[in-house]
Amino acid sequence: DTGVSQNPRHKITKRGQNVTFRCDPISEHNRLYWYRQTLGQGPEFLTYFQNEAQLEKSRLLSDRFSAERPKGSFSTLEIQRTEQGDSAMYLCASTSLEWANYGYTFGSGTRLTVV
Amino acid sequence: DAKTTQPPSMDCAEGRAANLPCNHSTISGNEYVYWYRQIHSQGPQYIIHGLKNNETNEMASLIITEDRKSSTLILPHATLRDTAVYYCIVTHKLSFGAGTTVTVRA
Repeated sequence: DTGVSQNPRHKITKRGQNVTFRCDPISEHNRLYWYRQTLGQGPEFLTYFQNEAQLEKSRLLSDRFSAERPKGSFSTLEIQRTEQGDSAMYLCASTSLEWANYGYTFGSGTRLTVV
Repeated sequence: DAKTTQPPSMDCAEGRAANLPCNHSTISGNEYVYWYRQIHSQGPQYIIHGLKNNETNEMASLIITEDRKSSTLILPHATLRDTAVYYCIVTHKLSFGAGTTVTVRA
């Protein structure tokens, strides 16, 4: 297991289209987080899962955004009817509940550009 | 959620120690202090964390004040590769602020 994997690395889409990103966490990690990062800013928390349960969603996660983790393994983040303001880096991180007070491992992110 | 305050930027000479301060005056008793860094276009990288005792690993040292309201990350011998944005975080949701942009100069 080489870490947290995110696909695709880059996505360019036209405004109004739907996009879906995938995150594969470290296999034994049962907590998975999604973040959004815009240029010059730190990552902003979007949502997190413990196993397959989505435990918290930020107010940043509008109704156009949906995240799933159906079997408690990989997760997807979908954005419907994309807007130019959705252009950002979307980061995924994972950790183990037993190690929740230890380091989180981040993926390299998916950079979304909405044109 | 507890918030952190960090200086926006700092410079450091290569080979010297870099001391990065962080204020977290609203931290609660069971919240850990985490430090991450982010090099351009990459995901954040875990550096170190601590609760109340000072910690050291192969990357850095973390000094936490007795009242836990502030901490300092120490990079003992900064290299050019340590140029990055450094984040101090105190919640499990890792709410990042703007961090400190550290530039290591030759």
